[in-house]
Amino acid sequence: ELKVEQNPLFLSMQEGKNYTIYCNYSTTSDRLYWYRQDPGKSLESLFVLLSNGAVKQEGRLMASLDTKARLSTLHITAAVHDLSATYFCAVGETSGSRLTFGEGTQLTVNP
Amino acid sequence: NAGVTQTPKFRILKIGQSMTLQCAQDMNHNYMYWYRQDPGMGLKLIYYSVGAGITDKGEVPNGYNVSRSTTEDFPLRLELAAPSQTSVYFCASSWTGLLNQPQHFGDGTRLSIL
Repeated sequence: ELKVEQNPLFLSMQEGKNYTIYCNYSTTSDRLYWYRQDPGKSLESLFVLLSNGAVKQEGRLMASLDTKARLSTLHITAAVHDLSATYFCAVGETSGSRLTFGEGTQLTVNP
Repeated sequence: NAGVTQTPKFRILKIGQSMTLQCAQDMNHNYMYWYRQDPGMGLKLIYYSVGAGITDKGEVPNGYNVSRSTTEDFPLRLELAAPSQTSVYFCASSWTGLLNQPQHFGDGTRLSIL
């Protein structure tokens, strides 16, 4: 059974600071997704990572995937208040279309 | 584009009642999914479908049923609602279900069972 663990689950940081969210998973997979969810809203796709060593960046967010370590990171650079949200990683099963989601990291960026 | 449309947005049910949550997508996606999200938690897969006429169980299917008679629609049926089914339900779809296509999510249905 595929298990996905994120840490930290809660993160409070100051504007301008850097931080990293970690996503570990238990079995082999070569695709990982990051989503953002604002309170009371739906999930918005941020990144799709499909191979070992994949790195993608959008604005102040950068995601990477290490399939050998079964680890993905979401790095936040110079955080701003607008990044406050819950971030989920989701790992795809190796054969098939199903995703397993982590519990989410609730990020609060304080002025 | 409307994307993935879920109705209703909110609903309160009494224990033992039944209802159908509607999900429709206009992107011609062949893969569709139903998830539930409990407070402060991630999403858990209830059922999914890889095409019209084909459905399969996810992680938490008990107490739910689905059907997929068309590519566009994927309704979720709750029979004999229980308080444990109080949750936010999300429908999602994707083009192939594979690799480089993220799942696109609807706005969710917030369901309370009292």
